[in-house]
Amino acid sequence: EAGVAQSPRYKIIEKRQSVAFWCNPISGHATLYWYQQILGQGPKLLIQFQNNGVVDDSQLPKDRFSAERLKGVDSTLKIQPAKLEDSAVYLCASSLEGLAKAFFGQGTRLTVV
Amino acid sequence: KQEVTQIPAALSVPEGENLVLNCSFTDSAIYNLQWFRQDPGKGLTSLLLIQSSQREQTSGRLNASLDKSSGRSTLYIAASQPGDSATYLCAVYNQGGKLIFGQGTELSVKP
Repeated sequence: EAGVAQSPRYKIIEKRQSVAFWCNPISGHATLYWYQQILGQGPKLLIQFQNNGVVDDSQLPKDRFSAERLKGVDSTLKIQPAKLEDSAVYLCASSLEGLAKAFFGQGTRLTVV
Repeated sequence: KQEVTQIPAALSVPEGENLVLNCSFTDSAIYNLQWFRQDPGKGLTSLLLIQSSQREQTSGRLNASLDKSSGRSTLYIAASQPGDSATYLCAVYNQGGKLIFGQGTELSVKP
């Protein structure tokens, strides 16, 4: 079974630039999550989708972060403009439905300089 | 607001030792709880999922328990090996399926 795919694996950008991350969940998984993990901390939820609808985006900094999940499958997370404190690993996860086992991708490591 | 705490933050043990990692949560109204492993520079690998109606789950040398009333879960690792070295994270599910993570326990198993 194919896992959660994320790209790119690494990205280095200058502050105030924009960046986008892509996630392809496991086939058939209705729930998709984006998490931010700062070095030495546990992951923090940014946004949760159920199919193509948003379930929870309470911790998404909406002035600079945006996410979409077109057709309830792939998802993109965008940051514009980036700040130094956005340096982190961005993890995508999916599950069959909200309370089922969650599977994570390898993550995208973002460095903002 | 649900808060998840993992103690200790770091643990170093000799190979072969049995060990317990702890996870506590402030709101007992959780649905499920999942333990993950994270290797350096990698994503999260699911280890065990305990549903709210269960008290424990076992997989190989791993056993996870859940006591909702006391707000605690433990992950027991038997006969530890150097390959078990990683960061272990627990996450609780709220009603909407949101996973709330602890900060993790970094485990080092010395040969």
